[in-house]
Amino acid sequence: GQQVMQIPQYQHVQEGEDFTTYCNSSTTLSNIQWYKQRPGGHPVFLIQLVKSGEVKKQKRLTFQFGEAKKNSSLHITATQTTDVGTYFCAGRSSGYSTLTFGKGTMLLVSP
Amino acid sequence: ETGVTQTPRHLVMGMTNKKSLKCEQHLGHNAMYWYKQSAKKPLELMFVYNFKEQTENNSVPSRFSPECPNSSHLFLHLHTLQPEDSALYLCASSHDAQNSNQPQHFGDGTRLSIL
Repeated sequence: GQQVMQIPQYQHVQEGEDFTTYCNSSTTLSNIQWYKQRPGGHPVFLIQLVKSGEVKKQKRLTFQFGEAKKNSSLHITATQTTDVGTYFCAGRSSGYSTLTFGKGTMLLVSP
Repeated sequence: ETGVTQTPRHLVMGMTNKKSLKCEQHLGHNAMYWYKQSAKKPLELMFVYNFKEQTENNSVPSRFSPECPNSSHLFLHLHTLQPEDSALYLCASSHDAQNSNQPQHFGDGTRLSIL
């Protein structure tokens, strides 16, 4: 079945440092979505990538989709305490109708 | 306000009880989902309904029984649960489960504890 691996599982940074989480699939993905879940909250959709090599930015967040459409990354520049939460990638492989979520990367930011 | 409302927010029940979780979406979507979120595990898709028809059942034990009376409402009926079923149960909706380019909108979840 579909499997989406996400690393690291956990990262603790000082405010102002950068942060990156990586998502990898053994199969080619038709698209990949990123979600953020604040502590005690629910996953909230951030962005979707569809094209090979696509790069999208949202303020301090940069999302990339690999050329082979098997991996993706989320990079946060100069983290802030409001960035705290768990970031999930979710991908859909060709031939599958549903999204598969990665385990998520929990980000802690110390002031 | 997410547009997806789940009740109750918290539920504590014994293994022999019967209870139901409710989800309602006000987004005009046609697809609704149940997920289980446990500590240190990825979000586990349980059931998918698209235009009121169940399209996915991910090998979920029969002690979990979904019901989708219309595109706006989704229930999860619980019976004879086990302690390992304690988790956060999240409901989500999207425009169409067959359209992979649609984001999913999640409710706040029901935190379930089995005694």
